[in-house]
Amino acid sequence: GEDVEQSLFLSVREGDSSVINCTYTDSSSTYLYWYKQEPGAGLQLLTYIFSNMDMKQDQRLTVLLNKKDKHLSLRIADTQTGDSAIYFCADDMRFGAGTRLTVKP
Amino acid sequence: GAVVSQHPSRVICKSGTSVKIECRSLDFQATTMFWYRQFPKQSLMLMATSNEGSKATYEQGVEKDKFLINHASLTLSTLTVTSAHPEDSSFYICSARDPVLAKNIQYFGAGTRLSVL
Repeated sequence: GEDVEQSLFLSVREGDSSVINCTYTDSSSTYLYWYKQEPGAGLQLLTYIFSNMDMKQDQRLTVLLNKKDKHLSLRIADTQTGDSAIYFCADDMRFGAGTRLTVKP
Repeated sequence: GAVVSQHPSRVICKSGTSVKIECRSLDFQATTMFWYRQFPKQSLMLMATSNEGSKATYEQGVEKDKFLINHASLTLSTLTVTSAHPEDSSFYICSARDPVLAKNIQYFGAGTRLSVL
């Protein structure tokens, strides 16, 4: 069946950039999304990209989409300790397993 | 922006009891709401799609009689875990789409952590 995959862990130092990668299989998705989940909380929509775009920038967040390779990435510039959380990528209905981002001071 | 409210945020119950979780769209009318379950260190699993005024659509492997979904109004969907058992302990999250403003954006509730003793 269709699937969304992402690496489970990422650790960076405060002030560095974080890049979280995701691959998906369903090419019919209209949008692709990034969500943030803080401990014990629900999901917060961070950003999304329309499937016919290849880049979207929103303040410290940059989303890159390679539709040919079905690869999505989220770059967080100047990562802060408050960015520590689990980040989920998703297509229209499926979610990846989440990448736990740890930001070290 | 659109807000989805989920209640309760946490519930502890005895095995065999039923638990009802509510999901409300506060700023918009949601003809469709979604129910997810999240196991520790795992991704969200879509359980069912709740359709206002009609029966919910369940994903494969999800027991309809176990997880009762009711979407009686355009702003409220409920998930009832019937005869809960310890293996039902999980984090349940609902979401809704605003069909007018942002058809493809899902807004999530804060989740309900269910612990069955």
